[in-house]
Amino acid sequence: EIVLTQSPDTLSLSPGERASLSCRASQRINSRLVAWYQQTPGQPPRLLIYRASSRATGIPDRFSGSGSGTDFSLTISRLEPEDFAVYYCQQYDSSPETFGQGTKVEIK
Amino acid sequence: EVQLVQSGVEVKKPGESLKISCQGSGYSFSIYWIAWVRQMPGKGLEWMGIIYPGDSEAKYNPSFQGQVTFSVDESISVAYLQWSSLKASDNAIYYCARLNGPAGLYGMDVWGQGTTVTVSS
Repeated sequence: EIVLTQSPDTLSLSPGERASLSCRASQRINSRLVAWYQQTPGQPPRLLIYRASSRATGIPDRFSGSGSGTDFSLTISRLEPEDFAVYYCQQYDSSPETFGQGTKVEIK
Repeated sequence: EVQLVQSGVEVKKPGESLKISCQGSGYSFSIYWIAWVRQMPGKGLEWMGIIYPGDSEAKYNPSFQGQVTFSVDESISVAYLQWSSLKASDNAIYYCARLNGPAGLYGMDVWGQGTTVTVSS
């Protein structure tokens, strides 16, 4: 099973700042099959990024993903108030698919 | 509108059985895999497995194999997640999600609203 470790656990930032989230895999992920999801309290997760760097439908371009192999990242170029949430990476290269433990982006 | 609508809150006792549902609409239900994801209170997301409505092929996370069963009724565009004997550790929110693209290449793009399951004596 591929273990995904996200860092940091919590990111304290102000609106307008840049957020950089990391997701490291315990083994190589082929074909960059990594997705990123955003979850706000009481809501289901929302798909932001698939295949490491492709934005899902309707996702603003301030969200970007990158990476390959074992290291992946999500960047939010300028935080909007609605971006304060928990973010999860997920690998879907090998079964069982796994999620990282989440990074909480909170208002500083 | 493409959507997945899940059944409502469930409160059960340990040892009871349960079947929750996830109804798809606005798209061709048969040709998209459906995933089930667990979120225990205050915790992260766990992939339970997937099922293909077209032929009911299912793939389980070994951690959940034998503990739950996935099924579908293609005729009414509904996927099910069931337990034969609930435990207190099954307390969680359960989400269904659609896998978009061939073999889910484009991620889980549509999610149900979640079903809260509470198991308590």
